[in-house]
Amino acid sequence: AQKITQTQPGMFVQEKEAVTLDCTYDTSDQSYGLFWYKQPSSGEMIFLIYQGSYDEQNATEGRYSLNFQKARKSANLVISASQLGDSAMYFCAMIHWGNQFYFGTGTSLTVIP
Amino acid sequence: AAGVIQSPRHLIKEKRETATLKCYPIPRHDTVYWYQQGPGQDPQFLISFYEKMQSDKGSIPDRFSAQQFSDYHSELNMSSLELGDSALYFCASSVRDYTNTGELFFGEGSRLTVL
Repeated sequence: AQKITQTQPGMFVQEKEAVTLDCTYDTSDQSYGLFWYKQPSSGEMIFLIYQGSYDEQNATEGRYSLNFQKARKSANLVISASQLGDSAMYFCAMIHWGNQFYFGTGTSLTVIP
Repeated sequence: AAGVIQSPRHLIKEKRETATLKCYPIPRHDTVYWYQQGPGQDPQFLISFYEKMQSDKGSIPDRFSAQQFSDYHSELNMSSLELGDSALYFCASSVRDYTNTGELFFGEGSRLTVL
């Protein structure tokens, strides 16, 4: 069975600093995808970044980068230069395309001015 | 760019009533996923459809049913509603692309409140 683990229920970061949100996953499949989504208090699920299991380079999207360590089965999200608007829940998720799309339990990030 | 459209955005029902949620995927997306997110919970997978056929099934109660139509939109039907069904229901759509393009997006969710 596939599983996503986010061990940090809550995180605090000073504005303008970088923060790493941890995510580990468990799968026996070779082909899968890893996502990070942001969910602000308004509730919508906002796509941040994606990493395919065969991608050799770490994904980057603006201030977001995904530290993908396949052998360790980790896909940590790094947010650089945190902004107040980054305060939200962050979900790591994994998919085997066309099938279930598993979410972790989320990390609540608070950016402190 | 077109996104995943969900309707209604908000719905209030009484216990034992029925409710139908609709999801319109991004054009040319062939796969739809439904999720339920209770207050303070992570999203739980309910069911998915690929090319109008059920692809995978998660923790969907027997009181719920869903289908994907010829235009790829999907509907989640919920009957005999219970208080515990109050949640945010997300739909997501993707292309079932095994080259892993990462194209999977969520709608804004439908918030169901059961009184």
